Amino acid sequence: ETGVTQSPTHLIKTRGQQVTLRCSSQSGHNTVSWYQQALGQGPQFIFQYYREEENGRGNFPPRFSGLQFPNYSSELNVNALELDDSALYLCASSLDLGQPLYEQYFGPGTRLTVT
Amino acid sequence: AQRVTQPEKLLSVFKGAPVELKCNYSYSGSPELFWYVQYSRQRLQLLLRHISRESIKGFTADLNKGETSFHLKKPFAQEEDSAMYYCALSRSETSGSRLTFGEGTQLTVNP
Repeated sequence: ETGVTQSPTHLIKTRGQQVTLRCSSQSGHNTVSWYQQALGQGPQFIFQYYREEENGRGNFPPRFSGLQFPNYSSELNVNALELDDSALYLCASSLDLGQPLYEQYFGPGTRLTVT
Repeated sequence: AQRVTQPEKLLSVFKGAPVELKCNYSYSGSPELFWYVQYSRQRLQLLLRHISRESIKGFTADLNKGETSFHLKKPFAQEEDSAMYYCALSRSETSGSRLTFGEGTQLTVNP
């Protein structure tokens, strides 16, 4: 069984640019959640996708958007990057939606630096 | 809105000593509480959840609704317990499994 993978591992962008982060969910998982973790902080929920539909969004502006594909992999897109977007972006997949007994499995994260 | 507070950013104990990592939450409904752990150079992983009432690696946590707390405890700390620990909350009555995390406590167990 393959775990959650994310790409790229690191990247550096300039303020105002756009970025796309990718996540491959664990085999058989149809729910993907994205989190932003700023330095010294806990992960903060961005949004969640279930079977290609957005299902819940945290307190993030519309320039944070996402997609989930038929194979349940997912993308996080951020437009008009700001310095405060510098963070570790975590993807987590779970077997199904809304089941607390279904554990969320986290990927290793993508470290984004905005200069 | 829900909130999770971990009052200690850093906690240092000696091997064999008891350890307690504090977690308080605010939420008007019925929450699901979790502890996640991140060992050095590893990814975030679930340690335990209150609905399972289980002990993992010697750790236990009891949900106290009166005090809105979910403290993590271990009677005898080991050096391999050194890690970053996050308390997290999920809203059980919603169809989502989004997690609200605390800021984390870095536990160091000294030899």
